This record gives sequence, C-alpha cells and structure tokens, in this order.
Amino acid sequence: AQKVTQAQTEISVVEKEDVTLDCVYETRDTTYYLFWYKQPPSGELVFLIRRNSFDEQNEISGRYSWNFQKSTSSFNFTITASQVVDSAVYFCALSDPWDDKIIFGKGTRLHILP
Amino acid sequence: EAGVTQFPSHSVIEKGQTVTLRCDPISGHDNLYWYRRVMGKEIKFLLHFVKESKQDESGMPNNRFLAERTGGTYSTLKVQPAELEDSGVYFCASSQVPGQGSYNEQFFGPGTRLTVL
Repeated sequence: AQKVTQAQTEISVVEKEDVTLDCVYETRDTTYYLFWYKQPPSGELVFLIRRNSFDEQNEISGRYSWNFQKSTSSFNFTITASQVVDSAVYFCALSDPWDDKIIFGKGTRLHILP
Repeated sequence: EAGVTQFPSHSVIEKGQTVTLRCDPISGHDNLYWYRRVMGKEIKFLLHFVKESKQDESGMPNNRFLAERTGGTYSTLKVQPAELEDSGVYFCASSQVPGQGSYNEQFFGPGTRLTVL
C-alpha cells in the first residue's frame, strides 16, 4: 500500500532561520511521483514541485530546495532564510502512473515568527 | 486559460441539512477528481470521473455523499444529510488525458470550506 508520513505536525521558527520539512513515503512501485503542495491560510492548494522516481537529483528553486533519497524513501523540503509569508501547511504526496489518485501526508503546519 | 473553479468558497450549514458543492474543471479536461481534508488530517481522495463516468469512487466515505458529472463537464458533490464530521475543505482537481509516457498532472481548485454546525 502507498503511504506518506510527515512526522512533524507543527513547526515554529523565527524568520530568517532555515527549516526542513520531513517526508517519508512507502510504495511497492518502481515508478512513482512525489510532490509538495503548500496550503496558505487562504486555503487553496499551491503546487510546489513534482519529482519522478527515476530522477534523484536535488532541486533548488530560490529559497526552496528538495532532497530526494530513494535509499531512505525520503523527500525532504528545506526553506532557506524563511519569511513570514512561508507560514502555511505543507503537504507531501505520492502517486503512481497507473492510479490517478494522489496520496497525501497529514501535512506539517509551519509557523514563521517575525 | 481559466483554472479549476469551485463554488461556493465557503458553506455553513446545520447538521441534517443538504449541501451541494460544484466544481468546474479546466475546459477540455476529461478527468475530474474530488478530495477532502477534514480538520487536522490528510487530504484524502474521494473519487475520479473520466468524462461522465465514475472511474474510481473508492474514497467516498458513505452513501450520504453523491457525486455527479452530467455531460462530462462540471461536477457536483452533494452531502445529504450533512453530519458534523463532514466539516472540512473539499478540493476538486482536473487533468487531461495524457499522451503516452506523459504525466497526468492534476490542477487543483481553490477548495470549498464546509462547516457543519
């Protein structure tokens, strides 16, 4: 069965600190996709990144970076120099090419304190 | 190009009442999905339409929930009668039928926040 675990329920950091959100996934498939979504206080789901299982290269986009490690089934997300606007719930998710449903983790609520 | 839209953005009803949520997918998208997040829990898949047909409704919680997609365009999700535990955010997503080897990206709507009192 597919499963996504985000062990951190809630994190608070002071603005400008770096913060890493953990994500561990379970799947029997060799081909799969991993995602991160952001849900700000306004409620909508904002797509951040998608990786496929064959691409283990880490990715950086501005202050955001993602570390994908198949050996540990992890897909961690780091925000560098956090800002108050980063405060949101962040969801890690998983899907496979044969079943369209996306499996989400429970989310990590991130508070960036000014 | 307009994204996925959902109506209403917020609905407050009393236990036992009926509520209908609507989703308009991106034009031309055959696939339409419903998900929901109840308070503090993960976002869970409810069902998947391909055009007007239900491809997968394994996530529908019980028979108080009825989803339709007449004509394969917009979809409605009716909750009747609503219970307290139905409170949460209901998301709709849509995707095209992908080409071979392409990822079938789902585009999410802004969600409908349902509060059952």
